[in-house]
Formats: sequence, C-alpha cells, structure tokens
Amino acid sequence: QSVLTQPPSVSGAPGQRVTISCTGSSSNIGAGYDVHWYQQLPGTAPKLLISGNINRPSGVPDRFSGSRSGTSASLAITGLQPEDEADYYCQSYDTSLSGSVFGGGTKLTVL
Amino acid sequence: QLHLQESGPGLVKPSETLSLTCTFSGDSFTGASDYWAWIRQPPGKRPEWIGDVYYTGMSYYNPSLKGRVSISLDRSRSQFSLKLDSVTAADTAIYYCAREFIYDNNAMTHSWFDPWGPGILVTVSS
Repeated sequence: QSVLTQPPSVSGAPGQRVTISCTGSSSNIGAGYDVHWYQQLPGTAPKLLISGNINRPSGVPDRFSGSRSGTSASLAITGLQPEDEADYYCQSYDTSLSGSVFGGGTKLTVL
Repeated sequence: QLHLQESGPGLVKPSETLSLTCTFSGDSFTGASDYWAWIRQPPGKRPEWIGDVYYTGMSYYNPSLKGRVSISLDRSRSQFSLKLDSVTAADTAIYYCAREFIYDNNAMTHSWFDPWGPGILVTVSS
C-alpha cells in the first residue's frame, strides 16, 4: 500500500483533458510538503514534469499543470496527445518514513 | 547540462553485496543544494528512494534499508556509489542515480529528483 495513493489508470481521447490525483495524509502532503510529478515513458527513466506543486521545468509543455490542496495534489493534462501515453508518479516527503516517497503510479492511455 | 550514468554488474547472487557507481558529467557542483541520490524501481512497481549523499559526504538512507545500505561520494572522480549488503530476490530492480535538488519553503525542506540516469537492471539470482 502506497503512502501516496494514485488511481491505477486513466484514459482520454486525443485533445481531451485528464486529471491524475495523488492523495496523501497529515505526514506528507497534509503537513505542507511540496508535491512533484514525473512522467515515465515505456522503457525509460522517470522525467521531472512538475516541481514544487505547480512549476514546469524548461521544455515541459504548458499542457501540463499541477495543483495542491489539503492532503492531495493533482496533475492535469490538456489537449491530450498520443505521446503523452506513459506512467505518471507523484513524489513528496513523508515524516513517518523520514524520506521521499512516490505514489503508486498512474498509467495514462490515449484512446 | 548534467548527465548521469549508472554502471556495475547486472547479476548479483543472493546474500552478496550489490555495488553500483554513478558517474556524472556536464555540470559542476553548485554547493549547498547538491545531493546525489539512488532510487530503485522493481519491475512494474513504483520508484523507491534508497538514500542520498550530500556534497560534504554526509549520507541519509531509507529506514527500511538502513543497516544494509551505504552511499559514498568521490568528488574528484565525479562519482558516487551504492553498496547494498545481503541482497535477496526482493532487491531485484532497475537502479537509478539522480541529482536531488533540495530547497526550503515555509520552514520546511523539500526535494525533487532531476535529472535521472538511464538506469541499470540488477537481478538477484543464483
């Protein structure tokens, strides 16, 4: 059982908008720790997509956006494209585990 | 632009020690924000933070692995290393090295990982 919980899968047609949730608790997101998001294309290493809840690193399209509220965070992807098909992971810090933790991952399928 | 590359054996026998090295290039130490991390990902599962080492050499480990893991830094060779003792099949995973960017916000310390190396699959089997 992951400390950070994500839906196992989401899907959408090209051009649509999807959101991926990341639910934590009072020992991580709820305690005020920032959430970061990664995209993992098949057979590759995770790549930083969103840092500090809302910030896009250089080169990340503005179709990707993040938010955080309470004990949860969300990643939104608008204008879905076939190349967005990947696994997405949230990451934060957990005080009870004394270290960084990752969510269970969400597989995005572009129909 | 910073690049990282993992190296080491892809097969380790049970009860032996897993040893990996990460070589980084293309960037320089920036000082207080430089942490270097090891992360592993069992096939089909979520990534797991193993630990990290600060540019001073101080290291921090995932409590679930404490006692078996050691991470060290060799700044002169632009390398940092991972040693994991007494491995079992449960340690089979893709092992990644990454730079860990640490910052303070709202009186709390946060971190993210970027960039990552391509990863190396380590299988524990006799």
